[in-house]
Amino acid sequence: DAEITQSPRHKITETGRQVTLACHQTWNHNNMFWYRQDLGHGLRLIHYSYGVHDTNKGEVSDGYSVSRSNTEDLPLTLESAASSQTSVYFCASSESLTRNEQFFGPGTRLTVL
Amino acid sequence: GQNIDQPTEMTATEGAIVQINCTYQTSGFNGLFWYQQHAGEAPTFLSYNVLDGLEEKGRFSSFLSRSKGYSYLLLKELQMKDSASYLCAVRDGATNKLIFGTGTLLAVQP
Repeated sequence: DAEITQSPRHKITETGRQVTLACHQTWNHNNMFWYRQDLGHGLRLIHYSYGVHDTNKGEVSDGYSVSRSNTEDLPLTLESAASSQTSVYFCASSESLTRNEQFFGPGTRLTVL
Repeated sequence: GQNIDQPTEMTATEGAIVQINCTYQTSGFNGLFWYQQHAGEAPTFLSYNVLDGLEEKGRFSSFLSRSKGYSYLLLKELQMKDSASYLCAVRDGATNKLIFGTGTLLAVQP
């Protein structure tokens, strides 16, 4: 069955370290998204991609970067982790921008000490 | 500006009906989604409305009024497993990005 996976599921790191969160989908969806979820804020968009080599900033993109070298993967990198980036991170993908729902991965819980 | 409002918490009784409301103000509109999210899990898609009216899917129904910027999710014959957060999300008409509300935590009691 097609699916969307994230790794690691849990990560503890230290302030200032570089961290990369992986997202892999096997639906062959062109559209992929990264969100963070914090109490009181709901899901907020970090970065998104509409296809290979396409990346765009979302509403909370500072301190994060993404790259899209193939259809299946959209890794999220925290260049220098900060305590404010402690959160649960969800990757999502969708077939179409205008009709279809987004499918979410299981999430990565990141703690920055 | 863009704003989505939902109640923070609701409580209902097993077997009953509950309505979760969502009001929105966005610069453009291209559809409204409801997602269910159990604690510690990913959001899962429940329903989609782009035209005014009611969409029914089993025990769950969703209603949309675009002129009022209003939607609700109706859950019938509540079960204990329906205890979860329910997220309202609007697709912005200009960017096609989803804008999420903060979610409504529903507790179903015996």
